[in-house]
Amino acid sequence: DIQMTQSPSSLSASVGDRVTITCRASQSISNSLNWYQQKPGKAPKLLIYAASSLQSGVPSRFTGSGSGTDFTLTINSLQPEDFATYCCQQSYNTPRTFGQGTKVEIK
Amino acid sequence: VQLQESGPGLVKPSETLSLKCTVSGGSISSYYWSWIRQPPGKGLEWIGDIYYSGSTNYNPSLKSRVTISVDTSKNQFSLKLTSVTAADTAVYYCARKTTVVIGVYSYGTFDIWGQGTMVTVPS
Repeated sequence: DIQMTQSPSSLSASVGDRVTITCRASQSISNSLNWYQQKPGKAPKLLIYAASSLQSGVPSRFTGSGSGTDFTLTINSLQPEDFATYCCQQSYNTPRTFGQGTKVEIK
Repeated sequence: VQLQESGPGLVKPSETLSLKCTVSGGSISSYYWSWIRQPPGKGLEWIGDIYYSGSTNYNPSLKSRVTISVDTSKNQFSLKLTSVTAADTAVYYCARKTTVVIGVYSYGTFDIWGQGTMVTVPS
């Protein structure tokens, strides 16, 4: 199985900050990487697919980059509704695997 | 399109967990449909998926205990997990897997999710 490792596991930030979350795959996955946002008690929501493509309806302050084994999710100008947990997921092969999540908290 | 999970919230150890996912607002045809779970305070785990035609893929870690089936006449798909233990306690989500084509490459995404249902297996 491909292991997905995120860092940090949590971070504190203020409204307006730029936040960067990293996801590393245990082997090359090309750009087969998705990012999801999950709020407490809710299902995950797809933000980014194919490492850098923005899902329809997702604000442009969310950007994704990377290929191979190293990927980043950047949130530009953090908004109050962005405080949530973010996780990555590889779609390169089965079994599909997810990162453990990064919780973005209010400073 | 909306997805809704249904099934018992409490399953006894060694018994079978059975959940259904009803697809509304669209057809179950032409997509893969997935089950994903999340133990309390932990990350997401893909259980498996099924094409509307009935072909399946399972996580090897659960394959011996999992069956996913589809009923196109009811726009539903189902999950059965046998011989459950406390380690199977989790929120179980159903999700639609959509394939996006960019150039010559295709990418799978879980683009629509149910709200999730908590299943507890007491220890």
